[in-house]
Amino acid sequence: DTGVSQDPRHKITKRGQNVTFRCDPISEHNRLYWYRQTLGQGPEFLTYFQNEAQLEKSRLLSDRFSAERPKGSFSTLEIQRTEQGDSAMYLCASSFGTSGGSYNEQFFGPGTRLTVL
Amino acid sequence: KQEVTQIPAALSVPEGENLVLNCSFTDSAIYNLQWFRQDHGKGLTSLLLIQSSQREQTSGRLNASLDKSSGRSTLYIAASQPGDSATYLCAPPGNYQLIWGAGTKLIIKP
Repeated sequence: DTGVSQDPRHKITKRGQNVTFRCDPISEHNRLYWYRQTLGQGPEFLTYFQNEAQLEKSRLLSDRFSAERPKGSFSTLEIQRTEQGDSAMYLCASSFGTSGGSYNEQFFGPGTRLTVL
Repeated sequence: KQEVTQIPAALSVPEGENLVLNCSFTDSAIYNLQWFRQDHGKGLTSLLLIQSSQREQTSGRLNASLDKSSGRSTLYIAASQPGDSATYLCAPPGNYQLIWGAGTKLIIKP
């Protein structure tokens, strides 16, 4: 399967703990996105990478959140000192885009469901 | 700032009916628009990408239309089946990210 993969699929943690999620995009895709989705709502944008550069961050991404894409391939999203409000589905997507901002189809992974107790 | 509205929020119909799901957006300066399907508790599956130069895009029983000037897109589902039950979301692009509505939750009754 050459789609977007995410790990883990489910994570249960206690408030105050740190968690890290991983996303492996489609191999030829240079753009990678993180979104967060709560029950009954559409996804909310968190951050965007083109290759290894983090080009855009939402105001939703507080200081407790950090994302990396060190070699322009896989990405990690870390949440420090988790809070109950962080409970959500964390979705990763990838696409191929050329410079100049052209937009191409985004493909999503299965998501990581985080529950903070 | 792009805002997306999807109507209706929920829809329950008997199997076999043809359906229209509506999506409206406030900023018409978009390259294209994607329609997605999301099964309960699962990730997002891309259904159709309709370019701004196109008026329609078809995939099997699905047909999406785009009218940029009026800020509207519709997803037409022909001959609905119980397996079509899911939430359908439309998403025009922002600068790089997608902008989302809350979706239409569709239930097809056997």
